[in-house]
Amino acid sequence: SQQGEEDPQALSIQEGENATMNCSYKTSINNLQWYRQNSGRGLVHLILIRSNEREKHSGRLRVTLDTSKKSSSLLITASRAADTASYFCATGNNAGNMLTFGGGTRLMVKP
Amino acid sequence: DAGITQSPRYKITETGRQVTLMCHQTWSHSYMFWYRQDLGHGLRLIYYSAAADITDKGEVPDGYVVSRSKTENFPLTLESATRSQTSVYFCASSGQGSTGELFFGEGSRLTVL
Repeated sequence: SQQGEEDPQALSIQEGENATMNCSYKTSINNLQWYRQNSGRGLVHLILIRSNEREKHSGRLRVTLDTSKKSSSLLITASRAADTASYFCATGNNAGNMLTFGGGTRLMVKP
Repeated sequence: DAGITQSPRYKITETGRQVTLMCHQTWSHSYMFWYRQDLGHGLRLIYYSAAADITDKGEVPDGYVVSRSKTENFPLTLESATRSQTSVYFCASSGQGSTGELFFGEGSRLTVL
């Protein structure tokens, strides 16, 4: 079973617009991570936010975490065609022994 | 080249055959993982390893065998392949523990006929 569930499953926007993806999870976590996957490629780590953090930035990426709602969001600002990919959230369990991935959001950025 | 490499990238086999997918990393990361990726299921953890000679089951271990005799290698064996094992398999490594940042290989696409 998937710990994290991304929403929406697919998102299509114009270049320059912002893209927001959400992740909800079920059980307590020690961290939450976001990964990007280009078609036919492996996943690439984007950002990690710990359970005691509420917001984190990395370049055009902004991640928020609300542990009371068991949810996180990934915001990509000023999107580019090169941002077209699938984005996955992954949660680290409190036992510290497993990272569980959600089903992903497919983002298409039209030039 | 430095990094994490998987082989073969593509494999077609028949039901009942044994298949081994190889994974090699050059970072000396302690942790290594095998995930499978299927439409509708995202990525699911098959097995992971905290160090040489230490392995543990993930979410979907049935039908798979792993070994880790050397830190840099973590092969995944399907002892008797089934059609339900048709999938894309990803190897990953981490130097930050089992819930730290993962570095993924490019994947091995396996088709079982």
